Amino acid sequence: ILNVEQSPQSLHVQEGDSTNFTCSFPSSNFYALHWYRWETAKSPEALFVMTLNGDEKKKGRISATLNTKEGYSYLYIKGSQPEDSATYLCAFTSPHGDGGATNKLIFGTGTLLAVQP
Amino acid sequence: DTGVSQDPRHKITKRGQNVTFRCDPISEHNRLYWYRQTLGQGPEFLTYFQNEAQLEKSRLLSDRFSAERPKGSFSTLEIQRTEQGDSAMYLCASSFRTGWGKETQYFGPGTRLLVL
Repeated sequence: ILNVEQSPQSLHVQEGDSTNFTCSFPSSNFYALHWYRWETAKSPEALFVMTLNGDEKKKGRISATLNTKEGYSYLYIKGSQPEDSATYLCAFTSPHGDGGATNKLIFGTGTLLAVQP
Repeated sequence: DTGVSQDPRHKITKRGQNVTFRCDPISEHNRLYWYRQTLGQGPEFLTYFQNEAQLEKSRLLSDRFSAERPKGSFSTLEIQRTEQGDSAMYLCASSFRTGWGKETQYFGPGTRLLVL
């Protein structure tokens, strides 16, 4: 069974605080790790796709790192703003699904971030 | 707006009724996916199409669920004889084939289903 775990489940920070979340995934049979941001009543928004061990990606104040050998990824938000309030989801793709190659995303349960002004 | 669209955004139905949801992907995308999210969980994969071919179905997709993508463009997801356990957010995503597992999937806003 392929399982993706995220921590913490929720996080409340003050505007200006920096924060980080963790995503753990199976380190074997790895294709890619995806991060999404999902604001209430909107579509999940793709942030990053990472494939190589040691990958680091950055988009504005948000950055992510990937360790495929130990099976984890960190998402960092520098100087959180109220508009960063959302659920942050990570998802993993593996070459072996129920019966062979698969393109399906296997999601964690997400980290709910609330940024107080 | 050239993103993924879904219709309806909300649906309330009575147990035993049939419901159908529609997804319009980004126009040049040849892959289309359906996911379902229940309370407290992350989205779970249901099924996936490449053009009009349904290439993978989850074991979560019981016989009451059927999905189609007749001309390789929009897709429909039908649930027959709905049950209260079908209450969830149904998400559609699309992508352009660039390689297994590494392409970005772009999501629609979802259809929230409530079965009374």
